[in-house]
Amino acid sequence: NAGVTQTPKFRILKIGQSMTLQCAQDMNHNYMYWYRQDPGMGLKLIYYSVGAGITDKGEVPNGYNVSRSTTEDFPLRLELAAPSQTSVYFCASSYLWGGTDTQYFGPGTRLTVL
Amino acid sequence: DQQVKQNSPSLSVQEGRISILNCDYTNSMFDYFLWYKKYPAEGPTFLISISSIKDKNEDGRFTVFLNKSAKHLSLHIVPSQPGDSAVYFCAASAVGPNKLVFGAGTILRVKS
Repeated sequence: NAGVTQTPKFRILKIGQSMTLQCAQDMNHNYMYWYRQDPGMGLKLIYYSVGAGITDKGEVPNGYNVSRSTTEDFPLRLELAAPSQTSVYFCASSYLWGGTDTQYFGPGTRLTVL
Repeated sequence: DQQVKQNSPSLSVQEGRISILNCDYTNSMFDYFLWYKKYPAEGPTFLISISSIKDKNEDGRFTVFLNKSAKHLSLHIVPSQPGDSAVYFCAASAVGPNKLVFGAGTILRVKS
């Protein structure tokens, strides 16, 4: 099993550009999550999905969009990138709801917006 | 409003000694607590968890203690090894379909 994979590993964007962060898991998990981690801060939930076709907002959803067309993939879309979106982004998945189940994390995408 | 606080940004311990990482929380509805470990350039990995019905959970060298009245939990690593050097995140969730809330993390350095 590859687990949770994320691409790209690094990206530099200019203000106003858009991009999609890719996330895939091969563990047949229903639940998937996107987090961001800013320096000196804990991980904050951006969006999550409880299954294909079902997504919901987390704590910091503004400026992002998600879709979940398959169980395996959960891309995160940034429209009109802003410097405040400079962060490390982690995708995660879990078999049960992640509040009480182990979440498996990808290696992260480090994004810089200049 | 930080509901989960890890007040020590870093901790340095000698190999073989005990490492104690602390975590405080403010939300009395939290009933499940987890510790994740993170190496540089990798995602966090699950380490150990504890339910609010327990006050201690042990897994090999790792023990988590929960003091509900003080809203405090701690992670003990005995004996500490250089490979334990990482960032440790405390996380908590409340009853029902609630999301995990993470602390800011503590950098542990184990010196050989």
